[in-house]
Amino acid sequence: AQKITQTQPGMFVQEKEAVTLDCTYDTSDPSYGLFWYKQPSSGEMIFLIYQGSYDQQNATEGRYSLNFQKARKSANLVISASQLGDSAMYFCAMREGSSMRGSNYKLTFGKGTLLTVNP
Amino acid sequence: GAVVSQHPSRVICKSGTSVKIECRSLDFQATTMFWYRQFPKKSLMLMATSNEGSKATYEQGVEKDKFLINHASLTLSTLTVTSAHPEDSSFYICSAHSQGEQYFGPGTRLTVT
Repeated sequence: AQKITQTQPGMFVQEKEAVTLDCTYDTSDPSYGLFWYKQPSSGEMIFLIYQGSYDQQNATEGRYSLNFQKARKSANLVISASQLGDSAMYFCAMREGSSMRGSNYKLTFGKGTLLTVNP
Repeated sequence: GAVVSQHPSRVICKSGTSVKIECRSLDFQATTMFWYRQFPKKSLMLMATSNEGSKATYEQGVEKDKFLINHASLTLSTLTVTSAHPEDSSFYICSAHSQGEQYFGPGTRLTVT
C-alpha cells in the first residue's frame, strides 16, 4: 500500500484564488511528521510547511496552511491568493518515527501534483 | 538557514564510465544524509541512507555495488554511479539531517550517453 497518496496529478487555479492540494497518508506509527515541498522546474526542493502528528493546531506559514485531519489521515495543503510564481510541482511527504533520530528522518514522498496558476 | 550543496549540478558521461556526485553540508554537521533519485515528472525515491563513519543503508531494489555511497566526514557524502548506463540517467538529490530538520541539496542531473 502506498504510504502517501496524492490523487491530483494536475490542478489549475486562477491567480488570486485559493487552491487545495490533497494528500492522504498511511502509517501505524503514532509519531510522524508530514511535509509539503514545492519543486519548480529548476528542480530544487523548497520546504513549505510541516505538521507533527501530535500538533494540536493546523500549521500555517504565510499563504500556506495545512488542513490536518488526523482521523481521516489527510494533510491537505491550502494555498491562498495564488500567484503566478506558485506554478510548480508540489509533493507531500511523511517521516515516520521521532524526528531527532537521523536515520528516521528519511522521507516518503507522494507522486506529486502539478499546479498551474492561470493569469 | 542551513545550506546543502551538490557538485556537479549537471554531468554527462559515457556508458560504462563512473561518475561521482558530492553532497556537502556547508554550515552544519550532518551525521545522516539521504540520497534520492527522481525520474522526469516522477516522485523522489529514496535510494539510501548515508551514515557518517559507517556503511550506507540501501533501500530495497537499489544495487549497492552500482551506487557506492561514502560518508567520510560530517559534512560530505558522495554517491558514485559505477559503470553507468543510459537508464541511470536521472536527477539525484541529497539531503542532510541536523537537529530534527532536513535540508535538501539543489540536485544533480546525470545524463548517460
